[in-house]
Formats: sequence, structure tokens, C-alpha cells
Amino acid sequence: DAGVTQSPTHLIKTRGQQVTLRCSPKSGHDTVSWYQQALGQGPQFIFQYYEEEERQRGNFPDRFSGHQFPNYSSELNVNALLLGDSALYLCASSFWDGLAVNEQFFGPGTRLTVL
Amino acid sequence: TQLLEQSPQFLSIQEGENLTVYCNSSSVFSSLQWYRQEPGEGPVLLVTVVTGGEVKKLKRLTFQFGDARKDSSLHITAAQPGDTGLYLCAGVTQGGSEKLVFGKGTKLTVNP
Repeated sequence: DAGVTQSPTHLIKTRGQQVTLRCSPKSGHDTVSWYQQALGQGPQFIFQYYEEEERQRGNFPDRFSGHQFPNYSSELNVNALLLGDSALYLCASSFWDGLAVNEQFFGPGTRLTVL
Repeated sequence: TQLLEQSPQFLSIQEGENLTVYCNSSSVFSSLQWYRQEPGEGPVLLVTVVTGGEVKKLKRLTFQFGDARKDSSLHITAAQPGDTGLYLCAGVTQGGSEKLVFGKGTKLTVNP
């Protein structure tokens, strides 16, 4: 059973460009959360998707947007890239049992470098 | 804004020593989790503590949740080089869909 997978592994972009990161959740999971982890910091919550809708959002600008597909996979889009967007972007999947989101399983992340 | 502060930020010790990592907040969380992250990988959940005063043991690792559910500690006995990694605490917020609020982490190096 494959765990959470993310693509690409590494990405280099220049300021002002746009980027799309992809995540496939663990089998049986229906909820995907995205986190940004800058160097030397802990992960920061960007947003969470469930049933193809953004359910909760952290303190990130509108340049950060996402999408969830019917197969529960998800994309994170960042527009107008800034140098400060350089970070490891982590995807975590879990399932909603009607009462709560259960344990989140993290993927290996996508390392984004903005030059 | 809910914040979690971890200390120390860096810790370098010799194999066989004991250590304690602290995680403190001014906010109450529904539960608190500890993760370990290795370079090039995502965080891996070690334990979830839910009840104030709760103590959980995982082999040589002992986790404690404060009575007020605002702080936690991780104690490692007889550390080994395999314990090397970034230890992260995360508060679980409850708002219908739980998001994680992470501390900055403690980078532990255990030297042989």
C-alpha cells in the first residue's frame, strides 16, 4: 500500500513565476492538508481539502490556492512567486470519520527553490 | 494566533545520555502530537497525548502532557545515534476539521 506521494521532488523557479505541486493521498484517505516548512522552521498549515472543497485555511495570501479532485488527489498552486516562498511543501492525508480528522500521514515533500 | 515554543532548538549529546525536550504554549489544545522528521522526509507521528497529565511511553521515549493541556515534554533515556533527527511537537486544534500547529522543532544529534 503506497503512502502519500508528492511530485515533483524538487523544483526551481524564478520570481514572478507560477508553480503547481501535486499530492496523492494514502489509500482510503479523503482529506488532504498542505503545509509549508521553511528552512529551520516547523511546518505551517496552508489549507485543508475535503470533498473537493477548501475546508480550513491558514494565514497565507490568496496567491496560494488549491484543488482536490474526485479521486482525492490534490494540487497546490502558488502564483507570483516570491523569494520567501522557497520551502519544503508537505502534503498530509487523513480521513474524516464524521466526528474528527484522524491521524495525518505526511508525504516526503516537494522542495521549492525560488531564485 | 496559537503558538508552540520548543526548547532547546538544538541539542548535541553523546550516546547513552538522557535528554528532555519541551513544548510550551499559552493556548489549550484538544490534543498534542510529537513527530520525528529526518532529512528529505515528511514528519512521522510518534505519539498523541489527549488527557491533561497523561504520560505515554514508547520504548526509551516518554511523553507527558501538562495538566492544563498547554505544554508537553519528551524525554529520551539512553539516547542512541538512531534517535538523531528533528523532533516536532504539534497542537491539534478542533474546529470541525483539525489542523496542526507546529513548533519550530528540536534538532537532536546523538554522537556515537
